[in-house]
Amino acid sequence: DTAVSQTPKYLVTQMGNDKSIKCEQNLGHDTMYWYKQDSKKFLKIMFSYNNKELIINETVPNRFSPKSPDKAHLNLHINSLELGDSAVYFCASSQGRRESYGYTFGSGTRLTVV
Amino acid sequence: RKEVEQDPGPFNVPEGATVAFNCTYSNSASQSFFWYRQDCRKEPKLLMSVYSSGNEDGRFTAQLNRASQYISLLIRDSKLSDSATYLCVVNSWTNAGKSTFGDGTTLTVKP
Repeated sequence: DTAVSQTPKYLVTQMGNDKSIKCEQNLGHDTMYWYKQDSKKFLKIMFSYNNKELIINETVPNRFSPKSPDKAHLNLHINSLELGDSAVYFCASSQGRRESYGYTFGSGTRLTVV
Repeated sequence: RKEVEQDPGPFNVPEGATVAFNCTYSNSASQSFFWYRQDCRKEPKLLMSVYSSGNEDGRFTAQLNRASQYISLLIRDSKLSDSATYLCVVNSWTNAGKSTFGDGTTLTVKP
C-alpha cells in the first residue's frame, strides 16, 4: 500500500524530447513537492504545492512545469530535455504547509538524458 | 557559507561502535529539525525529528543546541544495517516554509 508513488521509475530519453513524471499520494497530506537529486547526491527543492496552490517555485528553468490537478497528485512536465537534466527526481508530501512532521518521499524517478 | 552543513565522511566504524554526527545551520530562525536516512539508490526516509529537549528512539539519540546552532545524531551499538547516508534537514517558516537538506554524512558499519 504505497504512500507516495511515482511513475515511471526509470526514464531514458533523448535530448530535446518532452517527458512527464507523475506522482500520487494516499496519505491525505496537504502539501506535495518535487526535489532533484543530482549525481553528487545533493537534494534540492524545485516546487511545492499546497492544496493545488503553488507555494514554492525555486529557480529552475521554465522548461520544468509542475501541475497539481488535486491535492493528491503532482506531476512534473519537462520540455526540451537537456543532458544536465539527468538526475533522480523525488516527489514528496507532508502534512500541513510547513513540513513540521517531515516528508514522505516517493521512490524516485531516475531520468537519464542521452 | 551553506545554510546547512554536514561532515560528508565517510565514517567507517566496526559493528557495535558508537558514532555521532553533527550538523550546523546558519538560520537562527529555524524551527523544525529532522534526521533522514538514505540508502543507496533509494529515497530518503524520515529517521527522527529533533526536539529541543532531545529525543531518543532505541539506539538513536538526537539533540538540538540552539545556542550553537547545531543538531546531532548519536547511534549506539552500530549494526551493519545502519550503513547509509544520514541527511540533516532544517526548516524555517521565515524561509517560505522551505526545508534545507544537508549534503549528507555517509556511514559504513563493518563486521
